[in-house]
Amino acid sequence: AQSVAQPEDQVNVAEGNPLTVKCTYSVSGNPYLFWYVQYPNRGLQFLLKYITGDNLVKGSYGFEAEFNKSQTSFHLKKPSALVSDSALYFCAAGSGTYKYIFGTGTRLKVLA
Amino acid sequence: DTAVSQTPKYLVTQMGNDKSIKCEQNLGHDTMYWYKQDSKKFLKIMFSYNNKELIINETVPNRFSPKSPDKAHLNLHINSLELGDSAVYFCASSPPASGPSYEQYFGPGTRLTVT
Repeated sequence: AQSVAQPEDQVNVAEGNPLTVKCTYSVSGNPYLFWYVQYPNRGLQFLLKYITGDNLVKGSYGFEAEFNKSQTSFHLKKPSALVSDSALYFCAAGSGTYKYIFGTGTRLKVLA
Repeated sequence: DTAVSQTPKYLVTQMGNDKSIKCEQNLGHDTMYWYKQDSKKFLKIMFSYNNKELIINETVPNRFSPKSPDKAHLNLHINSLELGDSAVYFCASSPPASGPSYEQYFGPGTRLTVT
């Protein structure tokens, strides 16, 4: 079965420190991978995606993600965390036709 | 202008009632979706429509019936509401010539509470 895993329910990081939110996937064929952010009482917002090409993908708000095919991972990163980055982050994979599989979400808390 | 809008934002109703949630997108997208987010924040796809045609139905009870009158609208009707239907429902859309390589645009969500 195809799946996306986010092994950490919550990640705490101090403001100014680098952050990593982990994601691993299991999908057939070429993976299409996404990161979304959800702020309280809001819908999900697209951050970045990997389709093909360079393994390091840059996205909105200074976030980037590294695709690693051998480890089937797509970790979200940011060099310097902001308090305003605190939110719920979802990794997702495009699978088959028009179908997306979402991870269970990771709550990022950036401490001032 | 709101790209993907949903109405109502909040919906409180009793068990056994029938209710509808409306979704509209003004992005010119061909594909629209309904997702359910439960109390643990798990997000699961329910339906997907492409050019008004149903293409994904993820083992959702028959009490849920999506309707797409045109490409810009995808409504969700729920019959005989149950306590377990309480959740936040998100509508989303993705660009023309869609496939799973395109990002989705989400509405603000409709929080449904069944008492």
